[in-house]
Amino acid sequence: AQKVTQAQTEISVVEKEDVTLDCVYETRDTTYYLFWYKQPPSGELVFLIRRNSFDEQNEISGRYSWNFQKSTSSFNFTITASQVVDSAVYFCALSEEIQGAQKLVFGQGTRLTINP
Amino acid sequence: KAGVTQTPRYLIKTRGQQVTLSCSPISGHRSVSWYQQTPGQGLQFLFEYFSETQRNKGNFPGRFSGRQFSNSRSEMNVSTLELGDSALYLCASATGVNQPQHFGDGTRLSIL
Repeated sequence: AQKVTQAQTEISVVEKEDVTLDCVYETRDTTYYLFWYKQPPSGELVFLIRRNSFDEQNEISGRYSWNFQKSTSSFNFTITASQVVDSAVYFCALSEEIQGAQKLVFGQGTRLTINP
Repeated sequence: KAGVTQTPRYLIKTRGQQVTLSCSPISGHRSVSWYQQTPGQGLQFLFEYFSETQRNKGNFPGRFSGRQFSNSRSEMNVSTLELGDSALYLCASATGVNQPQHFGDGTRLSIL
């Protein structure tokens, strides 16, 4: 069965610090997709990034960067120069496809607090 | 482009009642999925619909059901409500398999 582990339950840092959120996954599929979502206090899950299993290039989007390492089954997320607005719960997810249908398997989430 | 719309935002029900939640996907999205979020269990997949057909179902009792209409709008129904059904119910839409799912604000259901 698919599984996603986010070992860090809560992280608290001071503004402008860099912070890395860890994500480790388990799957027997050779083709799979990984996602990161952000959940602010309002409750909506905001899509951040999708990565497929064949693309191991790291990606950078502004202050956000993602490090995908297939060898260690990890898909870590780094925020550089954190800001108070980055405070949220962040979820890593793995897409499981069954007979053409998809479901997301989520980690337990990491609550990130950026203090001014 | 309008996002995923869920109604109502908040609901308070008592044990034994039933409830219907509604979700309007992003225009052009034919896949609609439902998730339950609780502090103890986290985010759990309920079911997924595509072109009015349920393609996948999570590990939830039969009290949880859903449907999708021809315009891709979806409803989720929970019958004989239990205290443990208190949760945030999130709907997500996507263009297809393995595409990013875009979520609504959710419906927060409280059972008294």
